[in-house]
Amino acid sequence: NAGVTQTPKFRVLKTGQSMTLLCAQDMNHEYMYWYRQDPGMGLRLIHYSVGEGTTAKGEVPDGYNVSRLKKQNFLLGLESAAPSQTSVYFCASSYRRTGGGYGYTFGSGTRLTVV
Amino acid sequence: GDSVTQMEGPVTLSEEAFLTINCTYTATGYPSLFWYVQYPGEGLQLLLKATKADDKGSNKGFEATYRKETTSFHLEKGSVQVSDSAVYFCALSTNTGNQFYFGTGTSLTVIP
Repeated sequence: NAGVTQTPKFRVLKTGQSMTLLCAQDMNHEYMYWYRQDPGMGLRLIHYSVGEGTTAKGEVPDGYNVSRLKKQNFLLGLESAAPSQTSVYFCASSYRRTGGGYGYTFGSGTRLTVV
Repeated sequence: GDSVTQMEGPVTLSEEAFLTINCTYTATGYPSLFWYVQYPGEGLQLLLKATKADDKGSNKGFEATYRKETTSFHLEKGSVQVSDSAVYFCALSTNTGNQFYFGTGTSLTVIP
């Protein structure tokens, strides 16, 4: 059972380049999330999706776009990368909305460096 | 708004020492509380959880009790091992929201 798979694991971009991070889950989860992790700031929510075809903004959405065309996939796009987007990006999924003790399943992360 | 505050690190302990990582929360309603652990180079893994006041979550020798009166969910372990070296995150979720709220993480290093 793969759980949540993120690709790529590492990437170096030049300022202004674009890229897409892929998150795939095989648990039939409705909810998917993209977080970024920065030193001293914990995890901050970028965007999330409550089901196929839906997306919503989180705490720090600027500079990112997302799509959820298929239930199992959640894509995070950077249209014009900036050094401030250097971070570790985590995807997570959950069976239902938060509450009631349902936790997230996390991917192993994508380490992105923008130079 | 909803938030979690956890003690800053890094924390360095000798093997077999007692561990406490403090976590307090602010939330409307009745949140569920979680501790996640992140080992080097990996994603976060659920360590334990508690869904109502006075519940105690436990796993791998770690435990935490949901204290509504002090709005706390402190993580404890009686005897840490080198393999417990990781970053620990406290988190909460509520029935009215769509996301978890994470603390900033506490790095633990256990030395032999």
